[in-house]
Amino acid sequence: EVQLVESGGGLVQPGRSLRLSCAASGFTFDDYAMHWVRQAPGKGLEWVSGISWNSGTIVYADSVKGRFTISRDNAKNSLYLQMNSLRAEDTALYYCAKDSVAGPLDIWGQGTMVTVSS
Amino acid sequence: DIQMTQSPSSLSASVGDRVTITCRASQGISNYLAWYQQKPGKVPKLLIYAASTLQSGVPSRFSGSGSGTDFTLTISSLQPEDVATYYCQKYNSGLALTFGGGTKVEIK
Repeated sequence: EVQLVESGGGLVQPGRSLRLSCAASGFTFDDYAMHWVRQAPGKGLEWVSGISWNSGTIVYADSVKGRFTISRDNAKNSLYLQMNSLRAEDTALYYCAKDSVAGPLDIWGQGTMVTVSS
Repeated sequence: DIQMTQSPSSLSASVGDRVTITCRASQGISNYLAWYQQKPGKVPKLLIYAASTLQSGVPSRFSGSGSGTDFTLTISSLQPEDVATYYCQKYNSGLALTFGGGTKVEIK
């Protein structure tokens, strides 16, 4: 079964850091680009970051550029999101998603909740 | 940056009605457009990609059309299980993606 399982979310104070992980199974992980997408409570979907299959191309939304770092370990079938200098507006459910090839996201994890509050 | 604008932001229709949702790009994106369905409390699900190609397993009452800047998602006969928020997403810029604001569909 194709599956993505996120972990690492939680309650964190403004200005602190958090690292999210996404474990992939059921497909050849290093064949595909991967993305992080977030959804603030009651709000729409916001794309956060994407990484190519070999980490050669990495892109970020302007809202997180310079604060978040995406990475992957193909040997461990895992995707990561290092989030630094967290702000209240980063509070959201963070989804890991598989790129189907060049854009559409065909597999999504269940998400991990990040709450930034003092 | 290219912006994606959906309309309406919400709609209410009766079971069996034909429902149309519009997504407009601020610049041309060819057919690099996907549609997702997110049911309440659930994970988003890919419905359509390349503007009009139905993802495997998606009911045929869903269809997509358009190219360039204007796109539509149509539900030919609304069913109770179609209650959800629908999002368009462009993917014409490599790995950089943009979602529309969403359209909430309810049953009247």
